[in-house]
Amino acid sequence: GAGVSQSPSNKVTEKGKDVELRCDPISGHTALYWYRQSLGQGLEFLIYFQGNSAPDKSGLPSDRFSAERTGGSVSTLTIQRTQQEDSAVYLCASSARQGFTEAFFGQGTRLTVV
Amino acid sequence: AQSVTQPDIHITVSEGASLELRCNYSYGATPYLFWYVQSPGQGLQLLLKYFSGDTLVQGIKGFEAEFKRSQSSFNLRKPSVHWSDAAEYFCAVGPLGGGGSYIPTFGRGTSLIVHP
Repeated sequence: GAGVSQSPSNKVTEKGKDVELRCDPISGHTALYWYRQSLGQGLEFLIYFQGNSAPDKSGLPSDRFSAERTGGSVSTLTIQRTQQEDSAVYLCASSARQGFTEAFFGQGTRLTVV
Repeated sequence: AQSVTQPDIHITVSEGASLELRCNYSYGATPYLFWYVQSPGQGLQLLLKYFSGDTLVQGIKGFEAEFKRSQSSFNLRKPSVHWSDAAEYFCAVGPLGGGGSYIPTFGRGTSLIVHP
């Protein structure tokens, strides 16, 4: 596609429910990042995928968070048993090659846990 | 560990005035440096980047930034601000590559307010 696409753009969920956030990177981009942006905060790194290598999950805040990337393309971030503190904008970015030479961001998914 | 500091949470300028947004980084080698802009409800858009070479880099929308190794800074500047420049600005530092981590670090952002 022309850019990084994220869906849904907005998601409201009840506390305790599971949610899935989707990211479609730019075609051919091998690197994919998930970040979380909370109100008034910077970008918090969550997870990084590079090609077929094992992902770097060092930023995931708890075991309720997981992500996968199928076929080296689409990625899904899953949050289980959502909590109110999970409310944030979740941003996905992709990059053409290994190393953060230049990343392109999606518009994000705004998650609200009520 | 790498880190980025944007000391100004908010900056207010008048339209037509000059602008400088500060960014200081901590990194053990020559970093990759970036400035991104985020308009309300939008993702981040790359303004400019520095990898090597000329320390004054030009970006889109009339922005420029200067890499100063001695000060560990990469400040963003614009000679004349337009109302449409009102947005959140993020500085980021990325790894050089090789055996290091490929995870870039972002500053907390500076919110630019432009008065008419």
